[in-house]
Amino acid sequence: QKEVEQNSGPLSVPEGAIASLNCTYSDRVSQSFFWYRQYSGKSPELIMSIYSNGDKEDGRFTAQLNKASQYVSLLIRDSQPSDSATYLCAVSHFGNEKLTFGTGTRLTIIP
Amino acid sequence: ETGVTQSPTHLIKTRGQQVTLRCSSQSGHNTVSWYQQALGQGPQFIFQYYREEENGRGNFPPRFSGLQFPNYSSELNVNALELDDSALYLCASSLSGLSSYNEQFFGPGTRLTVL
Repeated sequence: QKEVEQNSGPLSVPEGAIASLNCTYSDRVSQSFFWYRQYSGKSPELIMSIYSNGDKEDGRFTAQLNKASQYVSLLIRDSQPSDSATYLCAVSHFGNEKLTFGTGTRLTIIP
Repeated sequence: ETGVTQSPTHLIKTRGQQVTLRCSSQSGHNTVSWYQQALGQGPQFIFQYYREEENGRGNFPPRFSGLQFPNYSSELNVNALELDDSALYLCASSLSGLSSYNEQFFGPGTRLTVL
């Protein structure tokens, strides 16, 4: 079992709709969770970090964490064509900054 | 822009050669982490440097080595290059190597091709 799992997609969402990206992790000592966006040929860009159970909102983005279910998600409201990218979920453990990434979900927003 | 810079942008080497990649961290950050990203995969942790000391290493062979300088910039060295070393090499800087809460910010990466 991979430590961080994501559906590789592609996930196609109409413009203006809500895109929902999911990530599960296997290690219960995972403490910090991050979502990165990566455009083709570019490096990952940090979108959101979340450390506590519940929701965290930043503009059109909402991260949701459920440690009991070992599940973290990213919602993108009012999806725009510029949101088309690969979204990487990453986790780190207590006292260790090493990030463990999933393989990413490719999101396409359809105009 | 994250303020993290990497050089060179692209590099082509042949099998068996050695390569050095460079990274300058964001102002105020003392920790640099290196990742390898193969095509279609998520980044894989190589190692991290905190205040010039290695602070954790991933599952990479010893021919991957690095160092960090007093100004917190860093180098990644790869000896005896293999075809499978072809990848995007990413440097990330963060505020401190001691907390998992610290966010990591990536540089633009170096695309290495091994022929």
